[in-house]
This record gives sequence, structure tokens and C-alpha cells, in this order.
Amino acid sequence: GAVVSQHPSWVICKSGTSVKIECRSLDFQATTMFWYRQFPKQSLMLMATSNEGSKATYEQGVEKDKFLINHASLTLSTLTVTSAHPEDSSFYICSATQGVEATKHFGDGTRLSIL
Amino acid sequence: SQQGEEDPQALSIQEGENATMNCSYKTSINNLQWYRQNSGRGLVHLILIRSNEREKHSGRLRVTLDTSKKSSSLLITASRAADTASYFCATLYTGGFKTIFGAGTRLFVKA
Repeated sequence: GAVVSQHPSWVICKSGTSVKIECRSLDFQATTMFWYRQFPKQSLMLMATSNEGSKATYEQGVEKDKFLINHASLTLSTLTVTSAHPEDSSFYICSATQGVEATKHFGDGTRLSIL
Repeated sequence: SQQGEEDPQALSIQEGENATMNCSYKTSINNLQWYRQNSGRGLVHLILIRSNEREKHSGRLRVTLDTSKKSSSLLITASRAADTASYFCATLYTGGFKTIFGAGTRLFVKA
């Protein structure tokens, strides 16, 4: 089946650091990738949608300058949390899909802890 | 709110029993999907049901969709301890391109 690899799986860093998370579709070309944030025991909240070669579409309330998304190829999207602070600590999950109505395949998530 | 609603929020059952989770959504959809998430992990796709379908089966899973009530249910039969996880419904709204997740149901299956 389709595999999405997310890296790193776990990050601990100091406040003020910028952190980059990668999301790769390993065996298919992903026209669209989605980035979600999940707080403990809560659901996934969509942060942004990225299509290859175009600017990401951010959900209301998500700071685009804070969460930089790049989708440079059909197999790679990155999320950079810039100047991270403790309130940015969360579980970030990406998903990739080959089409609007196709199944979304998820990475295993990245647990980000900002000290 | 992005989210649809799911109930129950948490469900605890004995191994071998059936587990039913419900999901409600707000506007018309193209499809509805159910996902499973083990603690601290990503989501695993379980089953997709299209808006013109009413019921779908996959192994021990049975999903129903009632578009008139804007609701869906996931039934897991003969549950196992390994079924312990959080289950989310996710909807692709008509004319949209993003999937919106419900609040999720945390299932505990006791051995």
C-alpha cells in the first residue's frame, strides 16, 4: 500500500529554534499534501493544504509566517515551525493524496516539544 | 468549527463484544472515511464510503452512511484487545478538497 514517511518522529529543542519536518510519499506521487496538528486526546486540526508547485492554503487562524510550508516536488512537502515556542509543542501529522477524492495516506507524525 | 461530532467520546468493552461508533457531519459530502490511530502514531485508513453508498463492509468492520441524517456509524464486530485505539471519521465535503476530521472515539477493548 501507499507509504508516507514523516521525519523526524520526535524533536526536542530550545525556544526560538526553527524546526523543519519532512513528509515524503515513498511509492506514489502526491498531488496534494495536508498538514495537521493534534493536541493530546484531541482530533486532528487541519493547518494547511499544499499542492505541488504552488503556495499552500492555510486554514483560518494558522499563521503562515510561523508555519512555512514548501511542496517542491510530487513526493516531498516540508513544514518549518519558525522561532518555535513552548505553545507550538504538539503532534504534527502530514497526509498525502493522489487526488481530491482519493484516500489520504498519513505519516506517523512528529512529536515536537519546545523547552 | 472544523470538526464533525462523534459519539461516544470513549467506549470500553470486553473482548469479543461489538463496538459501535457514530459520526455526524454538517454539510453535503462526497465521501466519508474512517481512520484508526494508535496512541502517538499516525492514522491508518480503514474504509471509505461514498455519498451514494449506504453500507460497506471490510473484514470485521461495517460502515453505514445516512446522508439524510448526515451521520455514519462504524461497527467493529468480535472486538479484540488489539482494536484498542482512537477512531476518527473524516469527511470530504462536496466541492471541497480538504478532509475534515471528527472529534474521535477512544475505544478500549479489555482482554
